[in-house]
Amino acid sequence: NAGVTQTPKFRVLKTGQSMTLLCAQDMNHEYMYWYRQDPGMGLRLIHYSVGEGTTAKGEVPDGYNVSRLKKQNFLLGLESAAPSQTSVYFCASSYSSGDTDTQYFGPGTRLTVL
Amino acid sequence: KQEVTQIPAALSVPEGENLVLNCSFTDSAIYNLQWFRQDPGKGLTSLLLIQSSQREQTSGRLNASLDKSSGRSTLYIAASQPGDSATYLCAVLRGDDMRFGAGTRLTVKP
Repeated sequence: NAGVTQTPKFRVLKTGQSMTLLCAQDMNHEYMYWYRQDPGMGLRLIHYSVGEGTTAKGEVPDGYNVSRLKKQNFLLGLESAAPSQTSVYFCASSYSSGDTDTQYFGPGTRLTVL
Repeated sequence: KQEVTQIPAALSVPEGENLVLNCSFTDSAIYNLQWFRQDPGKGLTSLLLIQSSQREQTSGRLNASLDKSSGRSTLYIAASQPGDSATYLCAVLRGDDMRFGAGTRLTVKP
């Protein structure tokens, strides 16, 4: 049982390049989330999904797109990377968003945009 | 808009000391509050979850309290150990929206 995994662990991009971050979970969770974490700030929600085929915007969605074609996978795309997107990206999943449900986090992807 | 604040931003204590980390939030209409631990270069691990109807939760040397009316939570760590050194984040959940504090970086010196 691997939990939540993220690919890749590190990436360096040039401004304007595109890339996709992959998140996978093997806990049969309905909910999946993408966050970014910047120095001195808490995690901020980018996009989330409440089930296969659904996506919704979080607090900071601009410049990112997501897809949830399979229940176990949640992809985060950057179409035209900008230096402001340099950050550590975390994926998380949960069974639901009820008051007893906790989120399980992946190890993170450190992205640098030059 | 929910704002979550954690004070202090950093804390250094000698081994064996009891300590308290603080978390405050501006909107009391929450589903739950969670405390997470984050080790350098790693993801977050959930430590304690307090439902909105509860006032505290305990796990081993950790005790978390919740006072919704004042918008405050505390994480109490008893008999701190060097292995407790990490960043501790609190987060509040309302609907599908979880908001995090910036964290308290704790160092426990041997």
